[in-house]
Amino acid sequence: GDSVTQMEGPVTLSEEAFLTINCTYTATGYPSLFWYVQYPGEGLQLLLKATKADDKGSNKGFEATYRKETTSFHLEKGSVQVSDSAVYFCALSPLYGNKLVFGAGTILRVKS
Amino acid sequence: AAGVIQSPRHLIKEKRETATLKCYPIPRHDTVYWYQQGPGQDPQFLISFYEKMQSDKGSIPDRFSAQQFSDYHSELNMSSLELGDSALYFCASSLWGAGGEQYFGPGTRLTVT
Repeated sequence: GDSVTQMEGPVTLSEEAFLTINCTYTATGYPSLFWYVQYPGEGLQLLLKATKADDKGSNKGFEATYRKETTSFHLEKGSVQVSDSAVYFCALSPLYGNKLVFGAGTILRVKS
Repeated sequence: AAGVIQSPRHLIKEKRETATLKCYPIPRHDTVYWYQQGPGQDPQFLISFYEKMQSDKGSIPDRFSAQQFSDYHSELNMSSLELGDSALYFCASSLWGAGGEQYFGPGTRLTVT
């Protein structure tokens, strides 16, 4: 079945450091790919998305590129802030159907 | 902008009791999803509805049932509660065909004692 694998956390960075969170997927066909973020005590918020190969999703300084050849959708940010501390979930939506399949989530902690 | 509303936000039940969770989607959204997130876990898809019909089904126990009403709100009914049902339950909504772009509510934290 469809699945998403994320790098394990927690990831601890200093403010203004570069962030990469790896995400790979297994799916039939070409799913849509997403990054969702969950702040403490809150629901999930859509951070960015990409719906086809080579698409780049971006939002709030975060970027991720849909790589079909490596089945990857790594999240990057050039300079993290303390306010970016949260749990980041990589997810896919299968070619047929609307449900989301999530990775295990990566805790990001940014210290000042 | 209006968001997804879930009620109650917190619920404490005893084993073998029943619970009903409610979800009010974003206006004009026609599709509702339910997810269960255990402590330190990723959200697991339970069930979804489009135009009041079940559109997809995931790992939802037989003790659980759900429906979507004519005003598009949805209810998740959980019976014979077990300790393992303690979790955050999220509702999300979208327009049908949005390809996974879903908007999540704040969740209902269910504690079974």
